[in-house]
Amino acid sequence: AQSVAQPEDQVNVAEGNPLTVKCTYSVSGNPYLFWYVQYPNRGLQFLLKYITGDNLVKGSYGFEAEFNKSQTSFHLKKPSALVSDSALYFCAVREVLYGNNRLAFGKGNQVVVIP
Amino acid sequence: DAGITQSPRHKVTETGTPVTLRCHQTENHRYMYWYRQDPGHGLRLIHYSYGVKDTDKGEVSDGYSVSRSKTEDFLLTLESATSSQTSVYFCAISDTGTGALGAFFGQGTRLTVV
Repeated sequence: AQSVAQPEDQVNVAEGNPLTVKCTYSVSGNPYLFWYVQYPNRGLQFLLKYITGDNLVKGSYGFEAEFNKSQTSFHLKKPSALVSDSALYFCAVREVLYGNNRLAFGKGNQVVVIP
Repeated sequence: DAGITQSPRHKVTETGTPVTLRCHQTENHRYMYWYRQDPGHGLRLIHYSYGVKDTDKGEVSDGYSVSRSKTEDFLLTLESATSSQTSVYFCAISDTGTGALGAFFGQGTRLTVV
């Protein structure tokens, strides 16, 4: 079965510093990978995805993610973190079971950007 | 939030009572999902649907049932609520085929079982 791992529970970063949120995955076949963000008391919002093509994917709010097939990783990055980036971030992978699509999520990373 | 409405948004219920949560979409997407979110567990899939009357179990389906009689509605029922089902429940939808657009999420339903 497909799965994702987000090894850190919380990531603390100073405002203006680079932000990285780590994700590794395990899939059979080609991976479809996603990042979502959740602000307090809200649903999940789509940030970006990797389906095929360039390994560096750009998404919303200045975020980007790098797909690395050899390391089976899909780390989320932002060059300069803002206090408003403080939120819960989820990595997800599409899995196909008996021809049907499902999304498997990691446990999430709490990002705290310190002013 | 991409035409997804969850109702109710908040509910407090007693142990042993049945509870039904509703997810309504206006996007005509084929796939609909129910997840629960708990601290330390992230999002876990309860059930999903790949068409009208076509549903399947997720990883935490025990104690839950679902129904989808129309494309736009996906109901999640707790037959006899337990305190372990206190959680935030999210509905999600996605397109047909490869699911390449990922999924769109509703605002969530906070359920408390006392």
